[in-house]
Parts: sequence; structure tokens; C-alpha cells
Amino acid sequence: NAGVTQTPKFRILKIGQSMTLQCAQDMNHNYMYWYRQDPGMGLKLIYYSVGAGITDKGEVPNGYNVSRSTTEDFPLRLELAAPSQTSVYFCASSYYDSNYGYTFGSGTRLTVV
Amino acid sequence: RKEVEQDPGPFNVPEGATVAFNCTYSNSASQSFFWYRQDCRKEPKLLMSVYSSGNEDGRFTAQLNRASQYISLLIRDSKLSDSATYLCVVDTGRRALTFGSGTRLQVQP
Repeated sequence: NAGVTQTPKFRILKIGQSMTLQCAQDMNHNYMYWYRQDPGMGLKLIYYSVGAGITDKGEVPNGYNVSRSTTEDFPLRLELAAPSQTSVYFCASSYYDSNYGYTFGSGTRLTVV
Repeated sequence: RKEVEQDPGPFNVPEGATVAFNCTYSNSASQSFFWYRQDCRKEPKLLMSVYSSGNEDGRFTAQLNRASQYISLLIRDSKLSDSATYLCVVDTGRRALTFGSGTRLQVQP
């Protein structure tokens, strides 16, 4: 039982490059989330999805895009990377809604130079 | 005012000590409350949910005070392995949880 799997674990991007952070869960969870965590700070919600085909913006969506074509996968796309996007990105999922708490992936550590 | 506020610490305590963290939240309509634990450079992991009547899990006790809009976490008989950052997490009426910035605990031998 893998839970929530994120790839890659580490990545260095140059300013202006693009990349996709992958997130997959095998728990048949409906809800999935992307958070970013800057050093010494709490997690900030980027995007979330309540089911396949349905996504919505969180607190800090600018510079990111998401899609949810299947229940299992919720990739996060960074277009035109900027140094301000240097952060640790966590994907999480929950069965129904946030009242059940989340299962997190192990994170992607991204540096934009 | 932040939606979820925590004292960042660090709290430095000796092994065996009892330590308590508080967290305040701004949305009086919040219904779900959690404590998560995050080790350095790792993902957050659910420590315990917080119920209205208070709840205990081994050495950990969580309390909720709706009138004052705060939740607390009490750790008894601290172990070295309890050293981590403890995140207060609240549903703030959106479809996703809001995380506090965390309180760092360092248990010393």
C-alpha cells in the first residue's frame, strides 16, 4: 500500500523553465490537495480537487496549474518558474473531506535559480 | 489576524517533562481540529484529532475550548523522540484545512 507518492523528490530549475510535479494516491481518495511550505512557515494551499474533473484555487494559486483527469492522479504544473517558487511542495489526499485529516506524500523539494 | 496562530517556540524541555502547546483560531464556525507532527525535512503526519470533549492517546492529550477558540496539546513524560514541530490544523470553512506555522519542541537528555 503506497499511500501518496510524489515525484521527483528534488529538482533544481532555472528561471523561466517549466515542470510538472507528479502526485498519485492508491487509497481511492476523492479529495486531493497541493500545499507549499516555505522555510519556517506553515503550509499554504495552492490548489485542491474534490474529484476527477473538478479543481479549485487555494490561497496561493498564481504561477501554478493543475488537472485531475483520474481519481488517482493530481499533477501540479509550474509555468515560467520564478525564485519565489523555491519551496517544498506537499501533495495530500483524504477520503471525503478535510474532516478526516490528510495523508501526505513525502514532498518535492524545488529550488529555482 | 492569522486564521490559525501558534507560538513558534522553540520549547526546550528535559526528558520526562510535561509540556503544553496552545493554538488559537479565528473562525468560530470551525468544526474540525487536528494536531500534526512534522519531523525535520519530512511530511506532516497526523498525531491526533481533537474532539469537543477532549481526548487522550497515550502520553498525548488534546483539548478544545470553543468559547475561547483555542486548542491545546499536552505531552506527558517527554521522550527524545518527541522532538519535532507540532502543527495545529483547523478547518476554516473552506474545503481544505488551514495549517498553523508550527511549534518546535526540543526534548533534551
